[in-house]
Amino acid sequence: GAVVSQHPSRVICKSGTSVKIECRSLDFQATTMFWYRQFPKQSLMLMATSNEGSKATYEQGVEKDKFLINHASLTLSTLTVTSAHPEDSSFYICSARDLRLEYTGELFFGEGSRLTVL
Amino acid sequence: DAKTTQPNSMESNEEEPVHLPCNHSTISGTDYIHWYRQLPSQGPEYVIHGLTSNVNNRMASLAIAEDRKSSTLILHRATLRDAAVYYCILSANAGGTSYGKLTFGQGTILTVHP
Repeated sequence: GAVVSQHPSRVICKSGTSVKIECRSLDFQATTMFWYRQFPKQSLMLMATSNEGSKATYEQGVEKDKFLINHASLTLSTLTVTSAHPEDSSFYICSARDLRLEYTGELFFGEGSRLTVL
Repeated sequence: DAKTTQPNSMESNEEEPVHLPCNHSTISGTDYIHWYRQLPSQGPEYVIHGLTSNVNNRMASLAIAEDRKSSTLILHRATLRDAAVYYCILSANAGGTSYGKLTFGQGTILTVHP
C-alpha cells in the first residue's frame, strides 16, 4: 500500500534554532498533504493544509511565520519550525491523499516526528 | 463540523470480539464515517470507512445505524497488536475539496489483555 515517510523521526534542538521536518509520499503523488501536531496524552490537532505549488492554508491560531510549510513537489512537503521554543516540543505528523484512491476515503499518515526543544 | 462522541476507554481480552461505539447525532447526509487507529508513538492508520451500509474489510467491520446517528467498529478477534487509540471521524465526501481534512476527537483507548 501507499506509504508516507517522515524524517527525522526524532530531533532535539536548542531553543532559538530552526528545525525542518520532511514528509514524503513514497509511491504516489500527493497534491495535498496535511500537518498535525500532537501533545502528550492529547489528540491530533490539524495545523495546516499543504498544497503543491501554492501557499499552505493554516488553521486558526497557527502562526504561519513560525511554522513554514513548503510543498515544492508532488511527493515532498516540509514543515520548518522557526525559532523553536520548549513549548513547540511535540509530535508532528503529516498525512497525504493518494489521488489514485481519491474515492476510497483512505488517507496515509507518516510515522511522526518527535521534536524536543531544550 | 459534526462531532463524534466515543467512550474514553475500553478493555478486551485477546481473541474476543470488540465493539467500539461512536455517536454522531449531528451527522449530515454527505458525511462519511471514518475510523482510524493510532498505536503508541506512531501516526494514525486507516481502519475502515462507510456512508450508509455496513462495511467489512480485512481489519474490521463497520456497523452503521439506520438513522446514521451512531456506528460501531467491530474487531472480530482482538489481538495484543490491536491495543491503540481508535478515532471515529466524520469526513466530507471523498473527492470533495475538504477531503482529507480530518478533525480528530479524543478517541477510545483500547486495552487488550492477554
